[in-house]
Amino acid sequence: GGIITQTPKFLIGQEGQKLTLKCQQNFNHDTMYWYRQDSGKGLRLIYYSITENDLQKGDLSEGYDASREKKSSFSLTVTSAQKNEMAVFLCASSIWGGAVAEQFFGPGTRLTVL
Amino acid sequence: GEQVEQLPSILRVQEGSSASINCSYEDSASNYFPWYKQEPGENPKLIIDIRSNMERKQIQELIVLLDKKAKRFSLHITDTQPGDSAMYFCAASETGGNNKLTFGQGTVLSVIP
Repeated sequence: GGIITQTPKFLIGQEGQKLTLKCQQNFNHDTMYWYRQDSGKGLRLIYYSITENDLQKGDLSEGYDASREKKSSFSLTVTSAQKNEMAVFLCASSIWGGAVAEQFFGPGTRLTVL
Repeated sequence: GEQVEQLPSILRVQEGSSASINCSYEDSASNYFPWYKQEPGENPKLIIDIRSNMERKQIQELIVLLDKKAKRFSLHITDTQPGDSAMYFCAASETGGNNKLTFGQGTVLSVIP
């Protein structure tokens, strides 16, 4: 088994602020993902990384940057926080390729922008 | 890219009855369809999945059906219990590559005792 750790658990920011969320996994998975979850909506993919130093845009990449520093870690940056924004950001990881595509999720970072 | 529609968004059932959630997708190349359960304050967890070489799969009280021609798949929970109350997400993906999942909008299931 393994675990995904996300820090911080709660993040409160100011409008226009640059905010960074971090994710670590010890599954030794190749692929990592960042999703945004808004109340009443599904998970929307922001960025994903197939392997170390790789970066792919998801459907919601505008307003975000990401960085895959090493195989076990994947960071997400909100480049300019929007006023009254509230969402949960979920990190996930999976193996690359193969017949099984199960993604394992972290506990999430809850963002509130004042 | 792929689009996945999920209905209903809210579902309330009596304990012991069945609950059904329906999803449709657009990309005929999608061949892997997982279902995730998310309990309040928790992260989503895979509960059952089906690949395109199957039409039906059952794990205990969970049944998934896949109709590739209609591009529809569904989750059926038989004999629902209060512990089944949660948010459920369907998803679709093309395996063998980056395993990128496209999720449905989610269904909040409430099982009334």
